[in-house]
Amino acid sequence: NAGVTQTPKFRILKIGQSMTLQCTQDMNHNYMYWYRQDPGMGLKLIYYSVGAGITDKGEVPNGYNVSRSTTEDFPLRLELAAPSQTSVYFCASSSPAGRQKPNEKLFFGSGTQLSVL
Amino acid sequence: RKEVEQDPGPFNVPEGATVAFNCTYSNSASQSFFWYRQDCRKEPKLLMSVYSSGNEDGRFTAQLNRASQYISLLIRDSKLSDSATYLCVVGPPRGYSTLTFGKGTMLLVSP
Repeated sequence: NAGVTQTPKFRILKIGQSMTLQCTQDMNHNYMYWYRQDPGMGLKLIYYSVGAGITDKGEVPNGYNVSRSTTEDFPLRLELAAPSQTSVYFCASSSPAGRQKPNEKLFFGSGTQLSVL
Repeated sequence: RKEVEQDPGPFNVPEGATVAFNCTYSNSASQSFFWYRQDCRKEPKLLMSVYSSGNEDGRFTAQLNRASQYISLLIRDSKLSDSATYLCVVGPPRGYSTLTFGKGTMLLVSP
């Protein structure tokens, strides 16, 4: 199994450009997440999804959009790139043990290093 | 008080040393606790969950103190390969929700 696959690994954008970060998982996980990690900072949740067709905002959603048309894919869209969006982006997935239990183990992709200049 | 707070370090220790990290959390109703490990420029990976009674996994021991709202990670007989950033992660009070990550504590193990 490939696990969680993110593309691209690196990208440089100009201010105002748009792009989509791709994320796909082959573990049939219901829950998927997008995090960003700035240097010396913790992971900040951008958006998450509890299943196909359902998405929710996380802590820092402004400037981003997501969709979840299938269980496997959870792309992250930047519409008008800004320097403040320079960061490392991680996609993750998980499958909680039970309805009332929070996620125990997140499986992360290898990350996308994005620079907006 | 920050949601999840950790000493950023770095903790510099020689091989074979014992080192401990603490992490404090602000929400007393939090129900789940974890330690993740993150190598430089890599994705985080689950190291171990933290249970109320404390738990051990080889050289790693995790403890939870609900009264004081902190969790700890003890590493015995440190190896060079233990050099990494250790992220304290706290789960929500109930139901489905998302995890909160600390900024991490950097550990450097030297020969």
